[in-house]
Amino acid sequence: EVQLSESGGGLVQPGGSLRLSCAASGFTFSSYSMTWVRQAPGKGLEWVSTISGGGVNIHYADSVKGRFTVSRDNSETTVFLHMRSLRADDTAVYYCAKDSGGMLDYWGQGTRVTV
Amino acid sequence: DIQMTQSPSALSASVGDRVTISCRASQNIDKWLAWYQQKPGKAPKLLIYFASRLETGVPSRFSGSGSGTEFTLTINSLQPDDFATYFCQEYDGDLYTFGPGTKVQIK
Repeated sequence: EVQLSESGGGLVQPGGSLRLSCAASGFTFSSYSMTWVRQAPGKGLEWVSTISGGGVNIHYADSVKGRFTVSRDNSETTVFLHMRSLRADDTAVYYCAKDSGGMLDYWGQGTRVTV
Repeated sequence: DIQMTQSPSALSASVGDRVTISCRASQNIDKWLAWYQQKPGKAPKLLIYFASRLETGVPSRFSGSGSGTEFTLTINSLQPDDFATYFCQEYDGDLYTFGPGTKVQIK
C-alpha cells in the first residue's frame, strides 16, 4: 500500500525558514518523480515543485523559485522541501504526491505551514 | 505558462442528478489532463487521468472527455459521497497548473 506522510510544518516568522519532509513507502521510490502542491486557506491547489526519481530534473513554480529547494534521499525514501525567506502568502497546507508522469496518484495528508 | 479555467465555480445538485463540469486550457494540452476530488480537510484524490482514463477504484459514474483545450468531467447519478470540490490539472510539460475548482453542493 502506498503511503505518504508529511511532517515539519508549523508557525514561522516572515523571513524565516522551514524544512518539510515526506516519508514514502509502498512503491519503488526512486522510480518516481515526487511533487509538492500547496493549498492556501480557503483557496485552490497550487503546484510548487517536482523532482525526478533520480533527483536530476527539478522544477519550481515562479512563486517559490529562488526561495524553495526540493531534494530527495532515495535510500531513506524521503523527499524534502526546504523553504526560506518565507512570506505570509506561503501560508498553506503543503502536500507531497507521487507523480506518475504528471498525474498525482497518491497524496499525503498534508502539513500546515503558517507564516 | 498554461492557464486553466473551470466552469461553473459552484453548482447545486440533487442526488441522482447528472453533473457536468468544464475545464479549459489556454493552449493545446492534447489529453494531458487529470481530475481530482477534494473533500474538506482531506487531500485531493485522483479520479481521471489522460483526460478520460478512470483511475483504479473510482466508480464508473465518473467519466472524463475532451482533448486539446476543452475538457469535461461528468458524474452520472450523483451520490451523497460526491459532494466535494473538483479540480482539473494539466500536465503537458514540466510545470503543472490546476484549475480553480468547482464546488458541488447539495440542492
